Amino acid sequence: AQKVTQAQTEISVVEKEDVTLDCVYETRDTTYYLFWYKQPPSGELVFLIRRNSFDEQNEISGRYSWNFQKSTSSFNFTITASQVVDSAVYFCALSEAQGAQKLVFGQGTRLTINP
Amino acid sequence: DSGVTQTPKHLITATGQRVTLRCSPRSGDLSVYWYQQSLDQGLQFLIQYYNGEERAKGNILERFSAQQFPDLHSELNLSSLELGDSALYFCASSARGAGRNEQYFGPGTRLTVT
Repeated sequence: AQKVTQAQTEISVVEKEDVTLDCVYETRDTTYYLFWYKQPPSGELVFLIRRNSFDEQNEISGRYSWNFQKSTSSFNFTITASQVVDSAVYFCALSEAQGAQKLVFGQGTRLTINP
Repeated sequence: DSGVTQTPKHLITATGQRVTLRCSPRSGDLSVYWYQQSLDQGLQFLIQYYNGEERAKGNILERFSAQQFPDLHSELNLSSLELGDSALYFCASSARGAGRNEQYFGPGTRLTVT
């Protein structure tokens, strides 16, 4: 069975600090996909990134970067120079590449950026 | 704005009642997924439809059912409601399976059962 663990339940930092959200996953599939979603206080789920299991290159998008390490089954998310607008709950998710392709979510990390 | 719409935004009803949640996917998306978000269970997959046909079921209760219509909109029916069914219900859509195309989520329907 697939499982995603986000061990950090809550993180609180001061604006402009860098922060890393951890995600560890379990799957028996050789091909799979990993995702990060953001849930701001308004409640919607916003797609941030998808990474397939074949591609271990790190990705950077503005202040956001993602580190995928297959050897440790981790897909961590770093926000550089955090801003108050980054305050949200962040979810890591996993899906199989075949079959249902449903998303299996971690429990989420609540990130609070203080001014 | 993800392009996925859900109605109603909020729903308050009593135990034992039945409600219908509606979802319109992004234009062109054939797959619709339903998820439930509750404090104790987190975000859980309920059911998936692809082009009108049921493709996969998750931890969906027998009191719950769904369908996808020819115009690709989907409805989630919840019956004999219990207090524990209070949750945020999300619909998501993707062009094909999420493995190839990411799922885009609607704003959710917050259901409160009293």
